[in-house]
Amino acid sequence: QVTLRESGPALVKPTQTLTLTCTFSGFSLSTDGMCVSWIRQPPGKALEWLALVDWDDDKYYSTSLKTRLTISKDTSKNQVVLTMTNMDPVDTATYYCARTSGVVTGDAFDIWGQGTVVTVSS
Amino acid sequence: SHELTQPPSVSVSPGQTARITCSADALPNQYTYWYQQKPGQAPVLLIYKDTERPSGIPERFSGSSSGTTVTLTISGVQAEDEADYYCQSADSSVTFSVFGGGTKLTVL
Repeated sequence: QVTLRESGPALVKPTQTLTLTCTFSGFSLSTDGMCVSWIRQPPGKALEWLALVDWDDDKYYSTSLKTRLTISKDTSKNQVVLTMTNMDPVDTATYYCARTSGVVTGDAFDIWGQGTVVTVSS
Repeated sequence: SHELTQPPSVSVSPGQTARITCSADALPNQYTYWYQQKPGQAPVLLIYKDTERPSGIPERFSGSSSGTTVTLTISGVQAEDEADYYCQSADSSVTFSVFGGGTKLTVL
């Protein structure tokens, strides 16, 4: 069974750096085609894709946020970490990690974590 | 940049057919994917590669594509289908992925 779980602080102050961890099981991020993305959703708003790391350690970022984002993976720990610098209240959102398995479902996010709520406030 | 446009809302009565469109502003070089999100829950993959349905997704959900518009069709809508629906596509020339603005389906 494939599962992903997000963890990190529920509250961060403006200008601080957010660090989120996605811990997954049921697949290996060293398998060809496997990727993990971070996606966020502000309250009442649409989903926004943020970043992706793939099995080959290639990384992709949202064009609008790439200067603030860093994604990394630790294959031995089955974890993917996202850092976002210079947090602002507009970054308040539920942050999800999701898997892309590539071979069958293409670029779909086929399994999602339950999400973690991050509030940016002083 | 690559953008996907969805109608903000669609309303149907139970048993009717709901159609949710997703229009791209670029040439149709990438597959489109559909997700269902119920309040307080993570999205669930409904359709991949324009028309394919993952195991466990009811047959009443189907996808189609024509030109730069893809459509999610829900046949015989049930009350439990009331949710937000998002399309998603990839655009490897600019960024990896983009979502549409979402469509709220109301079952009357």
